[in-house]
Amino acid sequence: ETGVTQTPRHLVMGMTNKKSLKCEQHLGHNAMYWYKQSAKKPLELMFVYSLEERVENNSVPSRFSPECPNSSHLFLHLHTLQPEDSALYLCASSQEWSQLQPQHFGDGTRLSIL
Amino acid sequence: TQLLEQSPQFLSIQEGENLTVYCNSSSVFSSLQWYRQEPGEGPVLLVTVVTGGEVKKLKRLTFQFGDARKDSSLHITAAQPGDTGLYLCAGAKLNYGQNFVFGPGTRLSVLP
Repeated sequence: ETGVTQTPRHLVMGMTNKKSLKCEQHLGHNAMYWYKQSAKKPLELMFVYSLEERVENNSVPSRFSPECPNSSHLFLHLHTLQPEDSALYLCASSQEWSQLQPQHFGDGTRLSIL
Repeated sequence: TQLLEQSPQFLSIQEGENLTVYCNSSSVFSSLQWYRQEPGEGPVLLVTVVTGGEVKKLKRLTFQFGDARKDSSLHITAAQPGDTGLYLCAGAKLNYGQNFVFGPGTRLSVLP
């Protein structure tokens, strides 16, 4: 059991749909992350929030829109996605935004774009 | 070109065998982490190494950080089916902010 919960676990959507991924952490952490994990590619950092402020946006297309309403919740809003966006989207949290802090991952949302 | 390379990409062995997987880079890292990811789950942190030459042991797993802090290895003794998974290394660089860059992983399968 991870302490970082992601919903839904699986999502199939058309290219014109709008959906949101949700992440909730019960660890009292101050930093939260979105990663994309594709087949044959390393884990890619997408966004970082520290104390509810976005501190990293790694050249992610605008069709991905993150939201962090409080320190326990993180959303990834999706619209007009492309087939190449099909991947496993992982949320993680850490005590602080620091290289010295371990990251705790959720089990991911498997996203398929038709 | 990936910042972190991992080898081998795939490894299939019999229960009871020993194995070593590698994480290499031309860059120096301030710290390096190893994770294991099982099918259908997120990565789980195994260890963090910080000092060049450091060796850490976790039951049958031995982790070593290279003296120059550019590479690391993970050695598993007497592998068990429960060791099956994707092993990821992640490095933190001094001029890369507070974030980690992940390697592509080694997919290990231990057959009973």
